[in-house]
Amino acid sequence: DQQVKQNSPSLSVQEGRISILNCDYTNSMFDYFLWYKKYPAEGPTFLISISSIKDKNEDGRFTVFLNKSAKHLSLHIVPSQPGDSAVYFCAASYGAGGTSYGKLTFGQGTILTVHP
Amino acid sequence: DTAVSQTPKYLVTQMGNDKSIKCEQNLGHDTMYWYKQDSKKFLKIMFSYNNKELIINETVPNRFSPKSPDKAHLNLHINSLELGDSAVYFCASSQAGGKVGYTFGSGTRLTVV
Repeated sequence: DQQVKQNSPSLSVQEGRISILNCDYTNSMFDYFLWYKKYPAEGPTFLISISSIKDKNEDGRFTVFLNKSAKHLSLHIVPSQPGDSAVYFCAASYGAGGTSYGKLTFGQGTILTVHP
Repeated sequence: DTAVSQTPKYLVTQMGNDKSIKCEQNLGHDTMYWYKQDSKKFLKIMFSYNNKELIINETVPNRFSPKSPDKAHLNLHINSLELGDSAVYFCASSQAGGKVGYTFGSGTRLTVV
């Protein structure tokens, strides 16, 4: 039972245009969401996060939007650059203690290719 | 300086063997994790340790045993390896229970033949 899903396996975008990566979740207890970026043969690196008390968080070219009623979040990259080409993972967590402590539930990733 | 380092990077071994993967972090984080990336590319948590104490133990076969000698190290020992254990294993660490994001190692690709 996958509680975090990224339904688009891949996305291809032209340099300078906007990239929009989507993520859906089913567990209403999730209260914190993160995006990670992964290059081949490397571990995922933290990109941006958002708390469930917000609906938007921006960091430079990266903006994450959260729609709690739809249980949907998205990552916008503007403008897209060839160096952004990587696998992007959405992740979610809940609670600050107990058995959920620090646990992140990941989606399966979306491969983003930015063409020059 | 590598923040989270895991060794080896690649591991090819025969079924039935016992192997270990080591992980060390120099970030001063208090929580460490093992995640498995399966053939469908999902990253799934296996274990979590906070200050050497086991916090999370997902449904993982008993053949997998984590060991944390101190809060900077979390090793993974696997007994009687099976074909289905082939995957990429990632170690990670975090402060504040993961709310500020993990730092991942570069992964260990385990292939069981």
